[in-house]
Amino acid sequence: DTAVSQTPKYLVTQMGNDKSIKCEQNLGHDTMYWYKQDSKKFLKIMFSYNNKELIINETVPNRFSPKSPDKAHLNLHINSLELGDSAVYFCASSQDSPLAGGVNEQFFGPGTRLTVL
Amino acid sequence: AQKVTQAQTEISVVEKEDVTLDCVYETRDTTYYLFWYKQPPSGELVFLIRRNSFDEQNEISGRYSWNFQKSTSSFNFTITASQVVDSAVYFCALSANFGNEKLTFGTGTRLTIIP
Repeated sequence: DTAVSQTPKYLVTQMGNDKSIKCEQNLGHDTMYWYKQDSKKFLKIMFSYNNKELIINETVPNRFSPKSPDKAHLNLHINSLELGDSAVYFCASSQDSPLAGGVNEQFFGPGTRLTVL
Repeated sequence: AQKVTQAQTEISVVEKEDVTLDCVYETRDTTYYLFWYKQPPSGELVFLIRRNSFDEQNEISGRYSWNFQKSTSSFNFTITASQVVDSAVYFCALSANFGNEKLTFGTGTRLTIIP
C-alpha cells in the first residue's frame, strides 16, 4: 500500500484554468504539507495542516487554496493557473512527536508534475 | 531565519569511489533537526536520516555515513564504495521553530556515478 499518494501524477492544462491535486496518507499522521519544486529542483514549503488546521501558509498567491477534509487528506486547488505555476508539487506527512519539541521526518508522495501551457 | 547551503551543485565520481556531499546550515534556534533526502531520477523523495542538534554522534548505515559538527554548522554525507544506483539529487534540510515544522531545503547536489 502506498503511504502518501497523490493524484494525478501528471497534469497538463491551459493558462487561466482551475485545477486540483489530491493527496492522501494512510500512515495515521497528524500533519500534512504541500511543497513546490521548481525547474531548478528547488523545494519550498507552501502550506502545512495539523489535524485539519492550517499551521503554515508561506508567501503563496491566494490563487492556491489548500483544503483538508480530514487529517488523512490535504488537497490543493489552484485558480487561474499561470505559466509560472508549472512545477512539481509534493505532498508530505509527518507524525507529531510525543515528546515536546520533537520533529519527525516527513514522508513524501510521488509528486504531481503540473505543466501550464 | 533558517538557511541550508549545499555548495556542490553537481558531482561525478567513478563507481566504487567514495564521495562526500557537503551541507552547511544556519539557524538561531538552539534545538533543531537536520535531514537528508534522496531524489532518484524517478522523482520521488526518499528519507535517509534525521539528526537532532543535541546528538553529535556520527552515524553509519551500510555504505552511508553522516558527520554532524555543530562547531562548523555542517552535516556532511559520505557514500563509501559508490554504486550506479546512488546516482540522484541529494537534499539536506533543516527544521526548527517547533509548532511550525516546515523543512527548509538546500538547493541539492546532483550526484552521478559513472560505471
